[in-house]
Amino acid sequence: QVTLKESGPVLVKPTETLTLTCTVSGFSLSNARVGVSWIRQPPGKALEWLAHIFSTDEKSYITSLKTRLTISKDTSKSQVVLTMTNMDPVDTGTYYCALSHSNIAVAGPHFDYWGQGTLVAVSS
Amino acid sequence: QSVLTQPPSASGTPGQSVTISCSGSSSNIGTNYVYWYQHLPGTAPKLLIYRNNQRPSGVPDRFSGSKSGTSASLTISGLRSEDEADYYCATWDDSMSAAVFGGGTKLTVL
Repeated sequence: QVTLKESGPVLVKPTETLTLTCTVSGFSLSNARVGVSWIRQPPGKALEWLAHIFSTDEKSYITSLKTRLTISKDTSKSQVVLTMTNMDPVDTGTYYCALSHSNIAVAGPHFDYWGQGTLVAVSS
Repeated sequence: QSVLTQPPSASGTPGQSVTISCSGSSSNIGTNYVYWYQHLPGTAPKLLIYRNNQRPSGVPDRFSGSKSGTSASLTISGLRSEDEADYYCATWDDSMSAAVFGGGTKLTVL
């Protein structure tokens, strides 16, 4: 059974850097053809895709936030980490990680598994 | 403002059919696969339709997807109260080199 669990701070201050970790269980990130994305949802708003990392280490980012985002993976820990710099109150929301068995740039956002999400508030 | 346009709301009575549209452009829906997700508040989104019209195992055949040109749609037949949720279309956008979600449609079962 594949499960994903997001972890990170509940509250960050404006201008701080957010670091979120997605821990994957039941599936090895060292397998070929596996990718993990981060998606967020501000309160009352739509889902927004942020970043993706594939098994080849190929990375993709949302254009509007590209300068603030970094996605990386540690296959030995089965974790994918997202950092977002210069946090602002508009970044408040629930952050999800999701797993796909394909390269998002080829097959699209085919997410078979999602975490439950972690709520992040940005406030001084 | 999403590059994929969905109606903000839809509704139907139990047993009815409802169709949710998703409008895009040649750089996204016109060229790439469309996916549909069901999202109940406080839970993880669930994949309903992949590659335009394919259902993952476990998804009832009441859910169907289609795509034509730069638009896609999700049809739910035989509406049930448990179908009340938010529905999102998603695809890859070649010009943005990014995945994009629609604005979401809140389905109410009356």
